[in-house]
Amino acid sequence: DIQMTQSPSTLSASVGDRVTITCRASQSISGWLAWYQQKPGKAPNLLIYKASSLESGVPSRFSGSGSGTEFTLTISSLQPDDFATYYCQQYNTYSFTFGPGTKVDIK
Amino acid sequence: QLQLQESGPGLVKPSETLSLTCTVSSGSISSSNYYWGWIRQPPGKGLEWIGSIYYSGNTYYNPSLKSRVTISVDTSKNQFSLKMSSVTAADTAVYYCARHQVEHFYRSTSLYYFDYWGQGTLVTVSS
Repeated sequence: DIQMTQSPSTLSASVGDRVTITCRASQSISGWLAWYQQKPGKAPNLLIYKASSLESGVPSRFSGSGSGTEFTLTISSLQPDDFATYYCQQYNTYSFTFGPGTKVDIK
Repeated sequence: QLQLQESGPGLVKPSETLSLTCTVSSGSISSSNYYWGWIRQPPGKGLEWIGSIYYSGNTYYNPSLKSRVTISVDTSKNQFSLKMSSVTAADTAVYYCARHQVEHFYRSTSLYYFDYWGQGTLVTVSS
């Protein structure tokens, strides 16, 4: 199985901050990576797929980059609605794995 | 807008079988463009993919759960279902159903990300 890690596990930030979350895969997954946002009590919401493609309806302040084993999710200017937990997911193989999550909370 | 809704018992006894159904509305489960998946999330923890199914019945399972899991599809009802046997307290989780994006190639199909999710249902394993 491909293992996914994320850093940091928790991130404290203020509205307007630029935020970067890193996701690493235990082996190369090319660009087969998605990012999700999850708020408490809600299902995950797809933000980014294929490492850098923005899902329809997702604000442009979200962006993704990377390939191989290292990926980043960037929020260019953090908004109040963005305080949530973010997960990456690899889909390089037929066994799909998620990262452990990064919680973005209010500083 | 596509909607998915999980249903099933919220409490299951240890060693018994967990059964959930996902009903798809405002879209056809028989579309050739998608698989349909189950993902779970233990309270306060991360996400774990359980398995995915095509309308034809073809399935992929998480190897760590494969021996206990069966996913089936009922195209006439626009539903797919999850059965997990011999459950323990470790199977307590919110269970989500989701649409699984795919791409078909000449001799294979690649499964990608989950773009629509149900709201989730909490299943507690306890006597």
